[in-house]
Amino acid sequence: QVQLVQSGAEVKKPGSSVNISCKASGGTFGSDGVTWVRQAPGQGLEWMGRIIPILGIPRYEQKFQGRVTIIADKSTTTAYMELSSLTSEDTAVYYCARESIERVAFDIWGQGTMVTVSS
Amino acid sequence: IQLTQSPSSLSASVGDRVTITCRASQAISSYLAWYQQKPGKAPKLLIYDASTLQSGVPSRFSGSGSGTHFTLTISSLQPEDFAIYYCQQLNTYPFTFGPGTKVDIK
Repeated sequence: QVQLVQSGAEVKKPGSSVNISCKASGGTFGSDGVTWVRQAPGQGLEWMGRIIPILGIPRYEQKFQGRVTIIADKSTTTAYMELSSLTSEDTAVYYCARESIERVAFDIWGQGTMVTVSS
Repeated sequence: IQLTQSPSSLSASVGDRVTITCRASQAISSYLAWYQQKPGKAPKLLIYDASTLQSGVPSRFSGSGSGTHFTLTISSLQPEDFAIYYCQQLNTYPFTFGPGTKVDIK
């Protein structure tokens, strides 16, 4: 069974960038996508974007366009999400998830990565 | 596409039947999923394609609906079901989530 394992918590200064990794262990991405969702403290879920690793084509939520970059390395079964120009409003838990082509849903989630933006 | 959920929160007792509604601002066919999230944990997929139970999810959970109106029903609430429930549409990018429904103990 595939599991998604994310990199650890980060503390960043305003204006800097953060790069979070998401490794698929116990399997590969196959034809499925890898999607990124964030959750600010006490708030709901916000979709940021996704990539289909076999195609290498990302798609981003318009709100994050120009600030977010999602890539995938098929050889290491790892996806990455970089968010730049950080502000305090980017303080959140960031999740990667498998976007299942079969189920049309996010069926496997990483454990989450807490990103704190503070001066 | 905007999703609204009702109620935003509810208090219920173990054994109660609970129904949560999700409405989409435009038709999304059956491309709707339901997730459960407990404090400090990642969301967990319960239902996809509006009514298909994800493998390993107890049969007391069920989903229905199509178009713009969907429901998640828990037939007999168990202690481990107290959580926040989110609906999500996967018909059109961006894949938006509803604001969530918090289910807590009466």
